[in-house]
Amino acid sequence: EVQLLESGGALVQPGGSLRLSCAASGFTFTNYAMNWVRQAPGRGLEWISSITAGGANTYSAESVRGRFRISRDNSKNTLFLEMNSLRADDTALYYCARGADVMAAATIDYWGQGTLVTVSS
Amino acid sequence: ETVLTQSPAALSLSPGDRATLSCRASQSVHTSLDWYQQRPGQAPRLLIYDASNRATGIPARFSGSGSGTDFTLTISSLEPVDSAVYYCQHRATWPLTFGGGTKVEI
Repeated sequence: EVQLLESGGALVQPGGSLRLSCAASGFTFTNYAMNWVRQAPGRGLEWISSITAGGANTYSAESVRGRFRISRDNSKNTLFLEMNSLRADDTALYYCARGADVMAAATIDYWGQGTLVTVSS
Repeated sequence: ETVLTQSPAALSLSPGDRATLSCRASQSVHTSLDWYQQRPGQAPRLLIYDASNRATGIPARFSGSGSGTDFTLTISSLEPVDSAVYYCQHRATWPLTFGGGTKVEI
């Protein structure tokens, strides 16, 4: 069974930093691209960032480019999101999601339950 | 950026009714379009990929159609468990984007 378990969400002050993790299990992690998608309270889904299966290529939304960095450790079956210069509008539930292929633009076929990031003073 | 516009924003129907949800892209995404269902308090779930293919375990009452810029998700006979928000998402170009969602109430 595919499982994606996010962690690292917290209350952080504006301008602060946070590192999210996603522990993957139930599939061969190295064969799949991975993604982060967020959802602000009461709002829709927003794609944030994607990484290819091998980790060589990454893609990010304009809203987070230069502040957030996606990475993965294939030896530990773990996906990361480094978040810097956090702003109030980054407040959201952050989902880790699997792509159905090695390439980053694959269909997202499994989602974690999310980890909550709140940016507030 | 390819903008996806979903309509209607909300739909209130009865069990057994047919629901037709629309997703329109600001430029062609070919068939690189997927549909997701998000029930209250839950993570999204993949329903349809590549515009018209049902994901594993998805009931046959869900179907997708379209290509280019106009796409439709049809739920042929609504059940109470289908109450949810439905999102379309393209993956034809970067950045990937989601539509604003259609809330279906039953």
